[in-house]
Amino acid sequence: GQNIDQPTEMTATEGAIVQINCTYQTSGFNGLFWYQQHAGEAPTFLSYNVLDGLEEKGRFSSFLSRSKGYSYLLLKELQMKDSASYLCAVRAYSGGGADGLTFGKGTHLIIQP
Amino acid sequence: DAGITQSPRYKITETGRQVTLMCHQTWSHSYMFWYRQDLGHGLRLIYYSAAADITDKGEVPDGYVVSRSKTENFPLTLESATRSQTSVYFCASSEGPGREQYFGPGTRLTVT
Repeated sequence: GQNIDQPTEMTATEGAIVQINCTYQTSGFNGLFWYQQHAGEAPTFLSYNVLDGLEEKGRFSSFLSRSKGYSYLLLKELQMKDSASYLCAVRAYSGGGADGLTFGKGTHLIIQP
Repeated sequence: DAGITQSPRYKITETGRQVTLMCHQTWSHSYMFWYRQDLGHGLRLIYYSAAADITDKGEVPDGYVVSRSKTENFPLTLESATRSQTSVYFCASSEGPGREQYFGPGTRLTVT
């Protein structure tokens, strides 16, 4: 089985930086995704890490350490529109072909003025 | 170009009824997925499909049936709806394993 943990809720200030952590335990790890989901909407893709290290994409960066089963999503220059849930999702190869993703419960990020 | 669509967007049904949720994508993506999202559980995979006529179970498949006769469609059927199947259902598609998944707008299903 797989287990993914991330904080339930975080609060940050507009213009600041916030780091959302995700830890996972899984066999056959084959990549980690971050998605953003605004209330009442579908998840949208933010980043994908399959190798160790940092991936940077504009104001968003994602880091992966496979040996530690750890990832984080870093959001810089926070804007009010960044208020959303951030979902960590792991892909694990089952040996039977393509897998769907296993999602954490999501971190609800609240941005304050 | 609509991308990925789901219908209906909202559905109320009674316990024991059969319900089919539709999913259609215009990208010709090989892979399609069905998830349900519930408070306290996050998104959970119900079924997925790697290609037409190939489907496989996910984490919570009981009570659900899928088919995929055409690449662009992936309907999800609740054969005899139960209250525990009240949820928001998301369909997703991707070009292949390890590629980003694109989610449809979701179907909010209430079983009374």
